[in-house]
Amino acid sequence: AQSVTQLDSHVSVSEGTPVLLRCNYSSSYSPSLFWYVQHPNKGLQLLLKYTSAATLVKGINGFEAEFKKSETSFHLTKPSAHMSDAAEYFCVVSEPTSGTYKYIFGTGTRLKVLA
Amino acid sequence: DTEVTQTPKHLVMGMTNKKSLKCEQHMGHRAMYWYKQKAKKPPELMFVYSYEKLSINESVPSRFSPECPNSSLLNLHLHALQPEDSALYLCASSQEAVAGIRNEQFFGPGTRLTVL
Repeated sequence: AQSVTQLDSHVSVSEGTPVLLRCNYSSSYSPSLFWYVQHPNKGLQLLLKYTSAATLVKGINGFEAEFKKSETSFHLTKPSAHMSDAAEYFCVVSEPTSGTYKYIFGTGTRLKVLA
Repeated sequence: DTEVTQTPKHLVMGMTNKKSLKCEQHMGHRAMYWYKQKAKKPPELMFVYSYEKLSINESVPSRFSPECPNSSLLNLHLHALQPEDSALYLCASSQEAVAGIRNEQFFGPGTRLTVL
């Protein structure tokens, strides 16, 4: 079975400083990995995805992530945090099951951005 | 149209009521999903429909009954719910996987359900 571990449940950064949200995965297959963001009382929005093309993936709103097979990591970064980035972030791996695929979610990282 | 819509946004129901949640997408996706999300937790998968057929039921109690009348529409029928069923219910859709490519899921805004 595949799994993801988000290493920090909470991260606080000052506005304008870099963001690093850490995610490690476990997979028997070549994984498909995703990062989603969820603002309070909203649905989940896809930030970026890795599906075995380029290992450095660029997403929306200035976010990017690097797939490192040797470290089984898929950390999310952004050079400069904005107040609007404050939200919950989920790292997700897609697992084959019952003839289809289902998402395995990490436990989430709450990002706080300080003025 | 790249959005998943859900109605209603909020629902309050008693334990003896029957209600339904509705989800719609017009992206031509053939896989649709129901998730339940409690506060400060990740979404938990409940059901997956693939080509309008139920392919995954994650041991969900029978008081939740999904229905997929056509490829654009997904319903969740609720009956005799318990207060602990109060949560945000999210719908999602995706292209079906082709040649091992696992496509991303698009999520709706959710229905906030409160069971009294």
